Amino acid sequence: QVQLVQSGAEVKKPGASVKVSCKASGYTFTSYGISWVRQAPGQGLEWMGWISAYNGNTNYAQKLQGRVTMTTDTSTSTAYMELRSLRSDDTAVYYCAREGSGSQPAYWGQGTLVTVSS
Amino acid sequence: EIVLTQSPGTLSLSPGERATLSCRASQSVSSSYLAWYQQKPGQAPRLLIYGASSRATGIPDRFSGSGSGTDFTLTISRLEPEDFAVYYCQQYGSSGTFGQGTKVEIK
Repeated sequence: QVQLVQSGAEVKKPGASVKVSCKASGYTFTSYGISWVRQAPGQGLEWMGWISAYNGNTNYAQKLQGRVTMTTDTSTSTAYMELRSLRSDDTAVYYCAREGSGSQPAYWGQGTLVTVSS
Repeated sequence: EIVLTQSPGTLSLSPGERATLSCRASQSVSSSYLAWYQQKPGQAPRLLIYGASSRATGIPDRFSGSGSGTDFTLTISRLEPEDFAVYYCQQYGSSGTFGQGTKVEIK
């Protein structure tokens, strides 16, 4: 079955960077894109961007352009999301999600809490 | 950027009642790339509907989606106790914005 297992919780200082991993199993990794979505405490869902696991093409949310980089490692079926110049309002649970048959995020990881605090 | 506005913010209903949730887009959503998700506290979102009206695998038929263009609706025909949660719509045709969510709570 499709599984996405994310890396563990992180605590970072303002200005630092964080890199979250998302290891996929149960399907052919390069056949589906991966989206990244975050959720600040008590808030709604925010789409961060998408990466094709086939060719590495990306589409980032405008507000994060220049601070976020999404990559994949096809040899280990792992997707990564790096966010730089962290601020306190980047504190959130970060989710990866694999596309379904209709291109929508369908299979979700368990989430990774990133806390930004001095 | 397409903005999605969900209404109402909170829906207070009893088990067995019908729930109707609305999602309105600031511009037309291409090819009905509109999905609905359910989220419970401490859990990842769960896909319910994609392509505006197609149920995801394993989703009960009391959940249905409809609409096109800029107006979309999620209907839960008879609320079960496990359906009380927050629901989000998302358009994934042009980037991937989410609505702000509708909380369905027990009356």
